[in-house]
Amino acid sequence: EIVMSQSPATLSVSPGERVTLSCRASQSVSSNLAWYQQKPGQAPRLLIYGASTRATGIPARFSGSGSGTEFSLTISSLQSEDFAVYYCQQYNTWSTFGQGTKVEIK
Amino acid sequence: QVQLVQSGAEVKKPGSSVKVSCKASGDTFINYAMTWVRQAPGQGLEWMGGIIPIFGSANYAQKFQGRVTITADVSASTVYMEFRSLISEDTAVYYCARDHGIPATGMGLPFDSWGQGTLVTVSS
Repeated sequence: EIVMSQSPATLSVSPGERVTLSCRASQSVSSNLAWYQQKPGQAPRLLIYGASTRATGIPARFSGSGSGTEFSLTISSLQSEDFAVYYCQQYNTWSTFGQGTKVEIK
Repeated sequence: QVQLVQSGAEVKKPGSSVKVSCKASGDTFINYAMTWVRQAPGQGLEWMGGIIPIFGSANYAQKFQGRVTITADVSASTVYMEFRSLISEDTAVYYCARDHGIPATGMGLPFDSWGQGTLVTVSS
């Protein structure tokens, strides 16, 4: 099973700041990597797939990069609605998720 | 835009089974695979398995092999997840999700639409 590791576990950020979340795969997943946002009491929402393609309706402040085993999600200017937990998912071999990064208000 | 509506919350005894449904509407059901993901309280997301409804073929995460069965009723645009021999650690919210297409063998896809989640509580 491919293990996905996210860092940091928690990120304390002020609104308007730029944030970068990291995701590492235990073996290469090519560009078969997605990012999700989950708010309390809600289902996850797809943000990015193919490592860098924004899903329908996702604002341009969200961007993804990376390939192979190292990936990142960047939010260029954090808005109040962006405080949430973010998960990466590899889908190169079946599917596995990272443990999540919580972005909280500083 | 597809909508996925899941069945309601369940409370089950240890050792029993639960069957959760997920009905799709608003988009063609047959052009996608469907997946089940669970989330224990305060924990992350865990892929359980998925099915391609038009083929009826299901695949499962190794952890759930033998205890979970995923089926589909194409005529009703509904997928089901049956979980047997429940233990307290199976208490979780169970989500259905739609794959972004039909995956190649051995691969997955991102999940572009999600149900609202079904809380299954396992308690004596």
